[in-house]
Amino acid sequence: GAVVSQHPSRVICKSGTSVKIECRSLDFQATTMFWYRQFPKKSLMLMATSNEGSKATYEQGVEKDKFLINHASLTLSTLTVTSAHPEDSSFYICSARDHGQGNYGYTFGSGTRLTVV
Amino acid sequence: DAKTTQPPSMDCAEGRAANLPCNHSTISGNEYVYWYRQIHSQGPQYIIHGLKNNETNEMASLIITEDRKSSTLILPHATLRDTAVYYCIGGGTNDMRFGAGTRLTVKP
Repeated sequence: GAVVSQHPSRVICKSGTSVKIECRSLDFQATTMFWYRQFPKKSLMLMATSNEGSKATYEQGVEKDKFLINHASLTLSTLTVTSAHPEDSSFYICSARDHGQGNYGYTFGSGTRLTVV
Repeated sequence: DAKTTQPPSMDCAEGRAANLPCNHSTISGNEYVYWYRQIHSQGPQYIIHGLKNNETNEMASLIITEDRKSSTLILPHATLRDTAVYYCIGGGTNDMRFGAGTRLTVKP
């Protein structure tokens, strides 16, 4: 089945620094990937839609200059949290859809737990 | 995506069937019903999906009402490892948006 790999699984960074999270579709090509964040005991919140070769589409209230998304190839999307602050600490999850699998929805990565100190 | 409503929590005895309801009264005719689950600190895991007909796979069964306004996910023999948050999603054509889900606790 479709596999989405997310790296790193955990990261701790200092306030003011930037952190990059990678999302790879291992056995399929994904023209579209999605980025979510999840706070403790809350549901996943869609942050942005990452489109290969074009600009990402951000959800209302998500700062595009703070959460930089690059989708340079059909198998890789990256999310960079710039000038991180403690309130950016969260669980970030990516997903991708394998269109070759018809309507089988989306495959999710295992998530990245970001802690900003 | 259609708005979905699920009970916030449910308990189930180990070995018994777990029946998780979902209301998706605003779902449109071409939108699928998807079920995912999330075990603590992991990414969501696909369970099953359907459009109109009932569906069954190795993990679960999905019963969709004839009017498509609601559905029920059935885990036939729940185990302790099925303890998770279960999300019902209506849509999925362009993106996947999550509601609050149901926290299922399987008890010994």
